[in-house]
Amino acid sequence: NAGVTQTPKFQVLKTGQSMTLQCAQDMNHEYMSWYRQDPGMGLRLIHYSVGAGITDQGEVPNGYNVSRSTTEDFPLRLLSAAPSQTSVYFCASSYSRSNPYEQYFGPGTRLTVT
Amino acid sequence: AQSVTQLDSHVSVSEGTPVLLRCNYSSSYSPSLFWYVQHPNKGLQLLLKYTSAATLVKGINGFEAEFKKSETSFHLTKPSAHMSDAAEYFCVVSVRPDGNQFYFGTGTSLTVIP
Repeated sequence: NAGVTQTPKFQVLKTGQSMTLQCAQDMNHEYMSWYRQDPGMGLRLIHYSVGAGITDQGEVPNGYNVSRSTTEDFPLRLLSAAPSQTSVYFCASSYSRSNPYEQYFGPGTRLTVT
Repeated sequence: AQSVTQLDSHVSVSEGTPVLLRCNYSSSYSPSLFWYVQHPNKGLQLLLKYTSAATLVKGINGFEAEFKKSETSFHLTKPSAHMSDAAEYFCVVSVRPDGNQFYFGTGTSLTVIP
C-alpha cells in the first residue's frame, strides 16, 4: 500500500492564481480530510469527507473547495490564492467516521503564495 | 466544545534523561486521545492512542501516556530520551459525536541535547 499520497510536494503561486492539491489513498478509507499547519497553531481542519459524494466544512474553510467523486481521491482547490494561504497542507484518511480510528497522514504540500 | 492545551511549546532534555510532554484536554464527551510526532519536514506519525480501554497506553519507540480523567490530562512520557526523539509532538482529541474530527494542540517542540 502506498498509504496517503499528496502532490505536489512544493508549490509557489502568485496572488490570485488557482490550483488543486491532490490527495489519494489506497486503503479504502471512508473518511478523508484536509488540514493546514501554521507555526504555533497546530493543524486546523479545512474540509472533510465521510464518503464519496459527501463533504463538509471544518474550522477554516474559506478560500478552499473540495469534492469527493471517488473513495480514493480528495482534491483541495484554491480558488484565488492569497498570501494568507501560505502554509503546509496535510491530507489524512481513516477507516470510518463512526469510530475514532487513527488518521493516516500524507507527507504534506508546502505552498507559498507571493 | 473540544479543545487541547499543550502546556509547553518547547521542551529541552539531555540524552538519556526522562521526557515529559504535557497535554490537557477539554471535552463534553468521553474522548479518544492521540499523540502524533512530526520530524522535521515530514508528515505526522501516530505514537499512541487512548480509546477507553487501559488508561496507561504504550506506544512506539518507548513512549507511553496515561489518561487521567480526574485531571483531564494525557501526558506523554519516555524514560530515556534519544537523539532521534527530537521532533514536534502533537496531542489530539477526538469525540464520537463529532465523528472523526480531530482537534489538535499547538504542538511541543522537543530538543534533545547530547
